[in-house]
Amino acid sequence: DQQVKQNSPSLSVQEGRISILNCDYTNSMFDYFLWYKKYPAEGPTFLISISSIKDKNEDGRFTVFLNKSAKHLSLHIVPSQPGDSAVYFCAAKDDKIIFGKGTRLHILP
Amino acid sequence: GAGVSQSPSNKVTEKGKDVELRCDPISGHTALYWYRQSLGQGLEFLIYFQGNSAPDKSGLPSDRFSAERTGGSVSTLTIQRTQQEDSAVYLCASSSVQGSGTEAFFGQGTRLTVV
Repeated sequence: DQQVKQNSPSLSVQEGRISILNCDYTNSMFDYFLWYKKYPAEGPTFLISISSIKDKNEDGRFTVFLNKSAKHLSLHIVPSQPGDSAVYFCAAKDDKIIFGKGTRLHILP
Repeated sequence: GAGVSQSPSNKVTEKGKDVELRCDPISGHTALYWYRQSLGQGLEFLIYFQGNSAPDKSGLPSDRFSAERTGGSVSTLTIQRTQQEDSAVYLCASSSVQGSGTEAFFGQGTRLTVV
């Protein structure tokens, strides 16, 4: 069973607009959530995280929102830039870190 | 080194042969993870080492897969009698402390191709 789900395999967004990537999880024991970004032929790089005791964390153009009652989190990127085109992985941690399948984000010029 | 180092970066092997993949974590990191990414798939958890605790092997897909971590540092992932479905990018990550609140840093991965 997938504990971390990213239901959109891909997303296209106009440059300058907001990108919203969504993630759902099933395990209520997860207490920390992370977003990673991955370019082809590179390892994933950490973007932003949020503790389960918070509902929002912001870092520059990136904001992560957590809705614990819905077991849902989202990553907002605004404004979207061409360099944001990549695969974004949602991850959740209780002991080990479990990843979703990723969403490929295309920023259109 | 400054980051997680994996070797080799690429490995082509014949079906049925054994392979060893190496991971050098960031110095001082007590937690070490192995994941694999098959073509078009997400990051599949394989195994997790934390300090001197028994590793969490719950993600290993079969008994052909094993991993060791010597001296709390370098880790080796071994795949015996490789099969074509083992072809994937194998990624190693490390993090500094146990418990929540600390992100893991990834290496560049080893691309394994079984022919």
